[in-house]
Amino acid sequence: AQSVTQLDSHVSVSEGTPVLLRCNYSSSYSPSLFWYVQHPNKGLQLLLKYTSAATLVKGINGFEAEFKKSETSFHLTKPSAHMSDAAEYFCVVSDYSNMRFGAGTRLTVKP
Amino acid sequence: NAGVTQTPKFQVLKTGQSMTLQCAQDMNHNSMYWYRQDPGMGLRLIYYSASEGTTDKGEVPNGYNVSRLNKREFSLRLESAAPSQTSVYFCASSPWSRGESNTGELFFGEGSRLTVL
Repeated sequence: AQSVTQLDSHVSVSEGTPVLLRCNYSSSYSPSLFWYVQHPNKGLQLLLKYTSAATLVKGINGFEAEFKKSETSFHLTKPSAHMSDAAEYFCVVSDYSNMRFGAGTRLTVKP
Repeated sequence: NAGVTQTPKFQVLKTGQSMTLQCAQDMNHNSMYWYRQDPGMGLRLIYYSASEGTTDKGEVPNGYNVSRLNKREFSLRLESAAPSQTSVYFCASSPWSRGESNTGELFFGEGSRLTVL
């Protein structure tokens, strides 16, 4: 069975500073990993995904994530936060057919 | 292109009432899903359908029934609503077919906010 832990329920950054949202996972198989973003009162949108190709994955809006098997981590980063990045972010692990969502990290961006 | 459409967007029920949430997708996707989202718990899978005519239980199926009416539509029914079912419900679809590796890209509707008093 797989599981996913988002290490911070809330992250606050200033506009223009780096963003780091942390995610650890466990899986019995070689997993696929994803980050989704949810803006207020909206559905979720895929940011990026890792499916056993390059370990550094680039997504939309300048986000990227690095798959580290030895650390069982898939942290999401962005060099410079923008006000429009304020949202909730979900890390997701999938092992073949089952997908498991993390509890979410709410990102606040201060002007 | 509408993507995934859910109705209604808001609903208030009394304990014991029944209702159906409707979902339709226009992307010709094989699989459809119903999730519930509760604060601090992420999204939890209620039921999913990997193809027309099939449905499977997810993580939290109790108190719910589903129907995959055709390839486009997947409805979620609460037969006797309880306050514990107060939540935001999301329908999603994906191209995934049973027997294939799930690449995990889900396409979500905008959610249905349900309150059970």
